[in-house]
Amino acid sequence: GENVEQHPSTLSVQEGDSAVIKCTYSDSASNYFPWYKQELGKRPQLIIDIRSNVGEKKDQRIAVTLNKTAKHFSLHITETQPEDSAVYFCAASRGYGGSQGNLIFGKGTKLSVKP
Amino acid sequence: DVKVTQSSRYLVKRTGEKVFLECVQDMDHENMFWYRQDPGLGLRLIYFSYDVKMKEKGDIPEGYSVSREKKERFSLILESASTNQTSMYLCASSSGTEPYEQYFGPGTRLTVT
Repeated sequence: GENVEQHPSTLSVQEGDSAVIKCTYSDSASNYFPWYKQELGKRPQLIIDIRSNVGEKKDQRIAVTLNKTAKHFSLHITETQPEDSAVYFCAASRGYGGSQGNLIFGKGTKLSVKP
Repeated sequence: DVKVTQSSRYLVKRTGEKVFLECVQDMDHENMFWYRQDPGLGLRLIYFSYDVKMKEKGDIPEGYSVSREKKERFSLILESASTNQTSMYLCASSSGTEPYEQYFGPGTRLTVT
């Protein structure tokens, strides 16, 4: 069935370093790939997304890349700060119809940024 | 500003009880979703609805049912709560057209004893 694999499950970096989280998806019909950030005790919130007709998207210190052929996409955070510490989830849209925006999520990456 | 609210932040119920979790959104979104969040397992879809009175099973529907009588409200029902349903439950909503961003509620931490 449909699946989204996310790696690593935990990531620890020094403040100022870069962090990269990688995801692969199985459904070739997926065309929307959002990333959510969930701070401790809070709800997940969208931080960046990319559509299948775009290879890369950037927003200040965060960027997402998509390789449709290999079915993988990655989140890059540069110049990490302690407030980047959170759990990050990747997701891919499901290919079947009925409801657009129906997502399958990866299992999450806990990012810790050490001052 | 999209607002998704859930009826309770914390809930403690006994095994065998019928449990109702309610979610309300104020953005006239067509799509609503119920997820279960467990450590190391991410967000797993229980049920979703893309219109009033419409519902579809997600990845882990067993032991759950849903109701959507009004567009803004989506209820998750545990017919007979069991201890393995102890979890964090998150509701989300999104528009039926682009952008498909899902907006999440604050979550309900349910403990079944």
